[in-house]
Amino acid sequence: EPEVTQTPSHQVTQMGQEVILRCVPISNHLYFYWYRQILGQKVEFLVSFYNNEISEKSEIFDDQFSVERPDGSNFTLKIRSTKLEDSAMYFCASSDIPGAGELFFGEGSRLTVL
Amino acid sequence: DQQVKQNSPSLSVQEGRISILNCDYTNSMFDYFLWYKKYPAEGPTFLISISSIKDKNEDGRFTVFLNKSAKHLSLHIVPSQPGDSAVYFCAAFRDDKIIFGKGTRLHILP
Repeated sequence: EPEVTQTPSHQVTQMGQEVILRCVPISNHLYFYWYRQILGQKVEFLVSFYNNEISEKSEIFDDQFSVERPDGSNFTLKIRSTKLEDSAMYFCASSDIPGAGELFFGEGSRLTVL
Repeated sequence: DQQVKQNSPSLSVQEGRISILNCDYTNSMFDYFLWYKKYPAEGPTFLISISSIKDKNEDGRFTVFLNKSAKHLSLHIVPSQPGDSAVYFCAAFRDDKIIFGKGTRLHILP
């Protein structure tokens, strides 16, 4: 069964460093998303991406964050100058049809900022 | 801004009985509602959905009910099985994003 894969599964970084989280969405999907879940809190929408551009982003997704689809298969989330409060699980998701609602999630990348 | 609210952080149900998970929402413009299930160390997985034009959708042991006037939906699992123990997220879809509730941890007791 096709699946969304994410790397790394866990990354530890120093505050102020840049982090890139990588995702390989399901191959025929066109819509891509990043969500995050801070420990003990709800899963929060960060950004959606379609046709090589951001289609929507939340208030959380400020200038510190960027997304890219560099090579037609990977979908990356870059966090510049990480802060302690960026520590969370980051989930990538993809779907083939917007509005149908079903997203396929990866297993998540745990980011720990020290 | 809690547009999707799950007021019960946890729920324990005897195996074989019915599990009822509840969810309230505030935005009447949501198009679609979904339930996701999450095991530890895994991403959320889609369980069942319902369009805002319907009031019930059933898939095997899982039934979702939507009460638009009350802005309330519920997920019924019957009969509950040990593998149903997980965190269940209610979610609402509009435009290009899904908004999740905080989740309810369901424990199925032997």
